[in-house]
Amino acid sequence: AQKITQTQPGMFVQEKEAVTLDCTYDTSDPSYGLFWYKQPSSGEMIFLIYQGSYDQQNATEGRYSLNFQKARKSANLVISASQLGDSAMYFCAMKHSGAGSYQLTFGKGTKLSVIP
Amino acid sequence: KAGVTQTPRYLIKTRGQQVTLSCSPISGHRSVSWYQQTPGQGLQFLFEYFSETQRNKGNFPGRFSGRQFSNSRSEMNVSTLELGDSALYLCASSPQPSLGFGYNEQFFGPGTRLTVL
Repeated sequence: AQKITQTQPGMFVQEKEAVTLDCTYDTSDPSYGLFWYKQPSSGEMIFLIYQGSYDQQNATEGRYSLNFQKARKSANLVISASQLGDSAMYFCAMKHSGAGSYQLTFGKGTKLSVIP
Repeated sequence: KAGVTQTPRYLIKTRGQQVTLSCSPISGHRSVSWYQQTPGQGLQFLFEYFSETQRNKGNFPGRFSGRQFSNSRSEMNVSTLELGDSALYLCASSPQPSLGFGYNEQFFGPGTRLTVL
């Protein structure tokens, strides 16, 4: 079964510091994709970063990078130089195939609070 | 460019009723996906439509259905509402199918909060 695990329900980070949000996944599919989304208190989801299972290099988007360790089945999100606006829920998700189509499975999320 | 719009923003229904939610994608986007978010189950993928065809589907009962029109606007219908259907329903659009080979970035709407009494 496909599964995403985010073990940190909540985290605190000092402004301007870097923070790592953990995500581990379980799948038997050789081809899959991993995502991170941000959901501020307003409720609107924001796509942050994507990593395909065959991508050789870790994905990077501005201050966001995805630390992809395939053998360990982990896809941690690293946010550099945290800002107050980074306070939000963060969701890890996995794209995988099933029953002739693709599905998206989400983790339970990590609530990040940035302290001034 | 206008973002993804969802109507209505808030909705209250009673058990057994049916409900239809609407999503208008960003202009030029042909793919629309739907998600359900509840405190208990978290975020769950419902389905994705592209060019009026359902391309991808999550694990939801047949009470949940959707469709997409030729102008790419999409509707989601839930029949015979249950208390557990109370949730934030999010819609997202992308130019091409978001799930498939590779990935196309999705842009989300503000959601429709459905309360079932």
